[in-house]
Amino acid sequence: SAVISQKPSRDICQRGTSLTIQCQVDSQVTMMFWYRQQPGQSLTLIATANQGSEATYESGFVIDKFPISRPNLTFSTLTVSNMSPEDSSIYLCSVGIYREQFFGPGTRLTVL
Amino acid sequence: QKEVEQDPGPLSVPEGAIVSLNCTYSNSAFQYFMWYRQYSRKGPELLMYTYSSGNKEDGRFTAQVDKSSKYISLFIRDSQPSDSATYLCAMSPQNFGNEKLTFGTGTRLTIIP
Repeated sequence: SAVISQKPSRDICQRGTSLTIQCQVDSQVTMMFWYRQQPGQSLTLIATANQGSEATYESGFVIDKFPISRPNLTFSTLTVSNMSPEDSSIYLCSVGIYREQFFGPGTRLTVL
Repeated sequence: QKEVEQDPGPLSVPEGAIVSLNCTYSNSAFQYFMWYRQYSRKGPELLMYTYSSGNKEDGRFTAQVDKSSKYISLFIRDSQPSDSATYLCAMSPQNFGNEKLTFGTGTRLTIIP
């Protein structure tokens, strides 16, 4: 299994600003994933982050809006840039270990 | 059309009842099927995963997959108030540890004592 922590757990931000979310795992993992969970909608994958390479973004998500860093095998950050109220959501990181995918507790973001 | 459809509920049942949660999907490439439970203000936690058609049982939980109908179910027997949560189905084409998961919207379940 894996223990995943995220910081911050929640934040309220102003339109036009940026927020960086951190994800820390207690073991080394190859791939980390960033998902978004909007009210009433399914968890949607934003991007996949491999250590040492550029993140791979899903359709509808772009690097300028959601830059991701993956400096080592236990840590990743997701930045939500130039925020608008539509970015209000829960952002979750996850890691794959063998046949299971474990999720962090999420970061609840509100944009005013 | 969404790749995965799930009735969002909410669903309320009395304690001790059998709960049936369902998802349908349209992508024939999905081969691995998972059920996650998500408590309020927590991340999803994996309950069960299955690969082949048929049933898989784990305690009070039974996962059922019918690939011919593209339909999966989760049954909860002897439901408890602690089962109150949102249940998410998820799917992937291959071994899902390092694969993108496609989720349903989740069904919010409340077990009434």
